[in-house]
Amino acid sequence: SAVISQKPSRDICQRGTSLTIQCQVDSQVTMMFWYRQQPGQSLTLIATANQGSEATYESGFVIDKFPISRPNLTFSTLTVSNMSPEDSSIYLCSVEERESYNEQFFGPGTRLTVL
Amino acid sequence: GNSVTQMEGPVTLSEEAFLTINCTYTATGYPSLFWYVQYPGEGLQLLLKATKADDKGSNKGFEATYRKETTSFHLEKGSVQVSDSAVYFCALVYTGGFKTIFGAGTRLFVKA
Repeated sequence: SAVISQKPSRDICQRGTSLTIQCQVDSQVTMMFWYRQQPGQSLTLIATANQGSEATYESGFVIDKFPISRPNLTFSTLTVSNMSPEDSSIYLCSVEERESYNEQFFGPGTRLTVL
Repeated sequence: GNSVTQMEGPVTLSEEAFLTINCTYTATGYPSLFWYVQYPGEGLQLLLKATKADDKGSNKGFEATYRKETTSFHLEKGSVQVSDSAVYFCALVYTGGFKTIFGAGTRLFVKA
């Protein structure tokens, strides 16, 4: 099973600034996912990141606000741009293992607070 | 469309009580079904899964049976512990898809 780390684990940021979150996987994976989890809520998929192609964004999320990089099969970044207090959430990256019937493995999350 | 509905929380139980968290789904075909658990301050981790009708997933004393006739995947545990306090998410991946669809989550508090 994949082991995923995220950096930073938490941050407090000022309105209007940007934060880049890193996700590192200990094995090569094709598909990586970025989720947002607002306080007390379920997970909302932001985008799917495949290596070598543009990320695919879900409805309500745009590349200008949440640019994603996927330079190789073990790493991805998500940037939260021009932040507002409404962006305060936990951001989670995950990977899928098709061999395990689409089981997902999650990173520990990045807890973001925007003042 | 594809969706997952689970019982609202929070659920508060005393230690050693019986736990049921209801989950029903709507999906085309034969989805794979999952329960994920999120302990305080952590990411999600897989608790158990079932990939076809009548399969029973089990782990750490938790069980759930894939019931196609009732489109349900209820989570049960015979005797909960304080350490089971967490948020539980029911989820599915639909046939031919790759995205996981999560329920709203049910928070469980277990009192000593």
